[in-house]
Amino acid sequence: KQEVTQIPAALSVPEGENLVLNCSFTDSAIYNLQWFRQDPGKGLTSLLLIQSSQREQTSGRLNASLDKSSGRSTLYIAASQPGDSATYLCALMIKAAGNKLTFGGGTRVLVKP
Amino acid sequence: DARVTQTPRHKVTEMGQEVTMRCQPILGHNTVFWYRQTMMQGLELLAYFRNRAPLDDSGMPKDRFSAEMPDATLATLKIQPSEPRDSAVYFCASGLAKVGGQFFGPGTRLTVL
Repeated sequence: KQEVTQIPAALSVPEGENLVLNCSFTDSAIYNLQWFRQDPGKGLTSLLLIQSSQREQTSGRLNASLDKSSGRSTLYIAASQPGDSATYLCALMIKAAGNKLTFGGGTRVLVKP
Repeated sequence: DARVTQTPRHKVTEMGQEVTMRCQPILGHNTVFWYRQTMMQGLELLAYFRNRAPLDDSGMPKDRFSAEMPDATLATLKIQPSEPRDSAVYFCASGLAKVGGQFFGPGTRLTVL
């Protein structure tokens, strides 16, 4: 059974510092990996989608890498801002589960001004 | 601007009443998912459809929950009768099978008194 782990569960950094969020998984037979952001009381916003054949994706200050051999993905957020404060979730679409996503527990980020 | 829409955004009802939540997936997406999120359980997959056919509803209490897709532009989740333990935020998401990831609606916040 696929296990998706996000460590740490919570992270607090001063504004301007780079954020590094980790996601590890046990089953590398995946279609893709997706990073989401969730603000309190809101829905999930898709940030980046990395297909199984890709190594990374970039969007503005965000960069996500995927290393299937080690079962890891990392989300980098450069020059963090207070508006980046949210919970970040990674989710995998694994081949054995069809189109279903398996979510990590999330990392709650606080960027202090 | 393609988005998943959900109605209602908020619903307060009394125990025993029927609740119907609606979702309009992004046009052209062929997979639709219903999730429930609570503080205790996190995100749980309730049901999902591909090309309007239900593929997996194992996460759903069968005796009171039902999910349907009357057509490609509408998915419904019904609870009858509702119970206080059903209080949660219910999200709908849509995507393209295998390739496109999942995109979430804003959710329906349900409170059952």
